Amino acid sequence: DVKVTQSSRYLVKRTGEKVFLECVQDMDHENMFWYRQDPGLGLRLIYFSYDVKMKEKGDIPEGYSVSREKKERFSLILESASTNQTSMYLCAAQGGQTQYFGPGTRLLVL
Amino acid sequence: GENVEQHPSTLSVQEGDSAVIKCTYSDSASNYFPWYKQELGKRPQLIIDIRSNVGEKKDQRIAVTLNKTAKHFSLHITETQPEDSAVYFCAGSMGYNDMRFGAGTRLTVKP
Repeated sequence: DVKVTQSSRYLVKRTGEKVFLECVQDMDHENMFWYRQDPGLGLRLIYFSYDVKMKEKGDIPEGYSVSREKKERFSLILESASTNQTSMYLCAAQGGQTQYFGPGTRLLVL
Repeated sequence: GENVEQHPSTLSVQEGDSAVIKCTYSDSASNYFPWYKQELGKRPQLIIDIRSNVGEKKDQRIAVTLNKTAKHFSLHITETQPEDSAVYFCAGSMGYNDMRFGAGTRLTVKP
């Protein structure tokens, strides 16, 4: 199985702060994804990357950017955090068509 | 793009009973349908998946059925146990970058 790790389990940030969420996978897979998970809304795709330096917008990219400088690492950036970005953020790496998730980062923006 | 709808949003069953969760998808080109289980505070974990060339797949107490004509697929859990309590997500995908998830079903198994 693919092992996916995320840099933080819990984060508390202030409105306007720049926030970095890091994700690392250990299986050399091209495709990586960032989702946010909110009650009743399931998993919504923010951005995905299909190779180093390649990225595509998902369904809800507004207020976010991403960076993929190395194949194993995919970063989600909140340029100026807002309270409506309080959520659980899940990273995934894809092997074949199967996605393997990280443990999630619960972000609270005050 | 693909749109996946999932029902019910919550489901409560008695231990030993069966549980069924249903999903519909919009794009007939979708060919891969995984199911994930997310226990409280943990990451979603793949529990079973099915491809469009198969109508049913079983793994011990869980099974998934797919009706391509009607564009729906279902998760069946038999002989439910308290440890089956979790949020279950269905998903659909046509290729490698387009997976879309249902909103989730919170299953509670009462002892």
